[in-house]
Amino acid sequence: QVQLVESGGGVVQPGESLRLSCVASGFSFSNYAMHWVRQAPGKGLEWVALIRSDGSNKYNVDSVKGRFTISRDNSKNTLYLQMNILRPEDTAVYYCAKGTSSGGYLCDFWGQGTLVTVSS
Amino acid sequence: DIVMTQSPDSLAASLGERATINCKSSQGILYSANNKNSLAWFQQKPGQPPKLLISWASTRRSGVPDRFSGSESGTDFTLTISSLQAEDVAVYYCQQYYSTPLTFGGGTKVEIK
Repeated sequence: QVQLVESGGGVVQPGESLRLSCVASGFSFSNYAMHWVRQAPGKGLEWVALIRSDGSNKYNVDSVKGRFTISRDNSKNTLYLQMNILRPEDTAVYYCAKGTSSGGYLCDFWGQGTLVTVSS
Repeated sequence: DIVMTQSPDSLAASLGERATINCKSSQGILYSANNKNSLAWFQQKPGQPPKLLISWASTRRSGVPDRFSGSESGTDFTLTISSLQAEDVAVYYCQQYYSTPLTFGGGTKVEIK
């Protein structure tokens, strides 16, 4: 069965960096696009970034451009989100999610999430 | 960016009653390759990640009870729970996956009256 396990969350100060990881199992990771989606405490869902199955194309929301970088290592079945210059408004649970195809914009399975708190 | 406007923000219905959630996209999201709208519905129960219920506006995912159905009319979309059950208490989100940035509606909280 599909499993996505996120890690790397924690408490950091504004301006600091953090790298999230998501280890995938139960499917052929290298064949599917992957996403990061976040949810601020008590708020709705916000899509953050997408990477195609081969890493050739990446997309992200404007609010994280120049600060967050999505990447993947298909040999390790792992998705990453490098987050730099963190702001208080980046505080959220970060979910990784599996796309439905190599470039799939639709997410069909989500991990349990990892909490990132940005506070001084 | 495509704005997804969802209504109501919350609703309460009795067990066995029908519950209806609306979602409107600010522009067309019709995928030309299959002539289907790129609209998904997710269910999120407290403390859990979202779960995909419906894709392409009306295609129920395998294993989703048939009391959940999706419909569409142009840029207006509807999720209907035909007979509300206790386990349906959750927040429901619509999402367009037509173009990046992918965007969600604000969510509808469904409770039992």
